[in-house]
Amino acid sequence: NAGVTQTPKFQVLKTGQSMTLQCAQDMNHNSMYWYRQDPGMGLRLIYYSASEGTTDKGEVPNGYNVSRLNKREFSLRLESAAPSQTSVYFCASSPTSGGPYEQYFGPGTRLTVT
Amino acid sequence: QQPVQSPQAVILREGEDAVINCSSSKALYSVHWYRQKHGEAPVFLMILLKGGEQKGHEKISASFNEKKQQSSLYLTASQLSYSGTYFCGTAPMKTSYDKVIFGPGTSLSVIP
Repeated sequence: NAGVTQTPKFQVLKTGQSMTLQCAQDMNHNSMYWYRQDPGMGLRLIYYSASEGTTDKGEVPNGYNVSRLNKREFSLRLESAAPSQTSVYFCASSPTSGGPYEQYFGPGTRLTVT
Repeated sequence: QQPVQSPQAVILREGEDAVINCSSSKALYSVHWYRQKHGEAPVFLMILLKGGEQKGHEKISASFNEKKQQSSLYLTASQLSYSGTYFCGTAPMKTSYDKVIFGPGTSLSVIP
C-alpha cells in the first residue's frame, strides 16, 4: 500500500496564479483532511471531508476550495495564489467510522508564492 | 480555538524524562498526540478519549484530565529517536471528532 500520496512535492507560483494540489489514499478511509503548516503555527486545518460527497471548513478556509472526487481522492485548489499562502501543505486520511482514529499523513507539498 | 502547549521547547540528555502539556479553554472529547521529525510528515502517537479510553502505541504514556481540559505526554528514559516536534490536537465534541485542531507544537531535542 502506498498510504497517502500527494502531488506535486514542490511548487512555485506567482501571485494570482491558480493550482490544484492532489491527494489520494488507498486505505479505504472515510475521512480526509487538508492542513497547512507554517513555522511556529503548528498544523492548521483548512478543510476536511468526513465522507465521500461531503466537505466542511476548518480553521483557515479562506482562499481555498476543495473537492472530494471519490472516496480515494481529495483535492485542494488555490484560485488566486497569494504570498500568504506560502506554506507546507499536508493531506491526511483517517478511518473514523465509529470514533476518532489516527490520521495518516502524506509527505507534504512545499508551496512558494512569489 | 487552538490548544496551548508547554513548554515550547525542551532539551534533554539521553535517559532523562520529559513531560509535554496540552490545555484547552473548551471542554474536550478527545486529545490526539503526534510527533514530527524535521522535514517529515507527522506520525500518530496516541488518542485519549473522554471516559478514559486510549488508542495508541504501548510504549507511549499520556494522561487526560477531562475536568481541567488538559493532557500530558510522558516521555521516559528518552532516546535520540525521540527528538522532534510534538503536537497535540483537540476535538471538543463527539459529533465533530473529525475536526481536530492542533496546537503550535513542542520542540524536543535529545542529545547524547
